[in-house]
Amino acid sequence: DAGITQSPRHKVTETGTPVTLRCHQTENHRYMYWYRQDPGHGLRLIHYSYGVKDTDKGEVSDGYSVSRSKTEDFLLTLESATSSQTSVYFCATKFRDLWTEAFFGQGTRLTVV
Amino acid sequence: AQSVTQPDIHITVSEGASLELRCNYSYGATPYLFWYVQSPGQGLQLLLKYFSGDTLVQGIKGFEAEFKRSQSSFNLRKPSVHWSDAAEYFCAVGASLGGGSNYKLTFGKGTLLTVNP
Repeated sequence: DAGITQSPRHKVTETGTPVTLRCHQTENHRYMYWYRQDPGHGLRLIHYSYGVKDTDKGEVSDGYSVSRSKTEDFLLTLESATSSQTSVYFCATKFRDLWTEAFFGQGTRLTVV
Repeated sequence: AQSVTQPDIHITVSEGASLELRCNYSYGATPYLFWYVQSPGQGLQLLLKYFSGDTLVQGIKGFEAEFKRSQSSFNLRKPSVHWSDAAEYFCAVGASLGGGSNYKLTFGKGTLLTVNP
C-alpha cells in the first residue's frame, strides 16, 4: 500500500473555528488531492496540487484553502468551519506519469457542531 | 471541463448473476479512465484503468471494463458476482489541463451494489 497518512482520523469541532487536516505521503508522488465524500454526491474534488506550491481549485473549493510547502505534505484548512462541511475527507496521491492511478488515504471524519 | 456520470445510484443483483455498471464521461480528448471500489468504512481501491491500447481492460477480482470512444463510456462488467463484491463503485476520469502538468482527477457519484444470496 502507498504510504499515505491522514491526520486526524476523527475530529469534532465547533462552528466558526478553523480546522486543518493533514495528508502526509512517503511515496514522493507529484500529485495530491483533497476530496470530500457525502451521501448522494460521491467524491467531490476540493483542491489539488500538481507540485510544491502549485495548487488549483476543484469543484467545491469555497470555504477551503490548501498549502503544499514540501512534496510529502498537503494541508487542507477550513477557514471557519460550518455544519455543511461535516463530511468524510479523503486525500489521494499520484505519481507524476499521467497514466498512473491515484492512491487513497483512509479518510478523516469531520463533524462540525 | 471534464465530468463523469454514473447513471445508476443503486443496483441489486443475485449472487452468481452478471453485472454491468455504467459510466459516461465528458472530455474533449482521450481521457485516463479508472474504476475504484470502496467497501464500507474503507478507502478506495483501484479495480482497473485505461489510458491507451486495447479497449477491453482486465482488472482485479475478475472485473473488466470496455472503453467505447463513440459512446464516451467505460462500463464495468463481471460475469458472475460474489457476495463479497457488495460495495460502492466509482468511475473516475483524469485529464491534463492545457496539456501541461496540471492533472485533474474527477469522480462520479458512485453506484452502490447490493448482492442478494
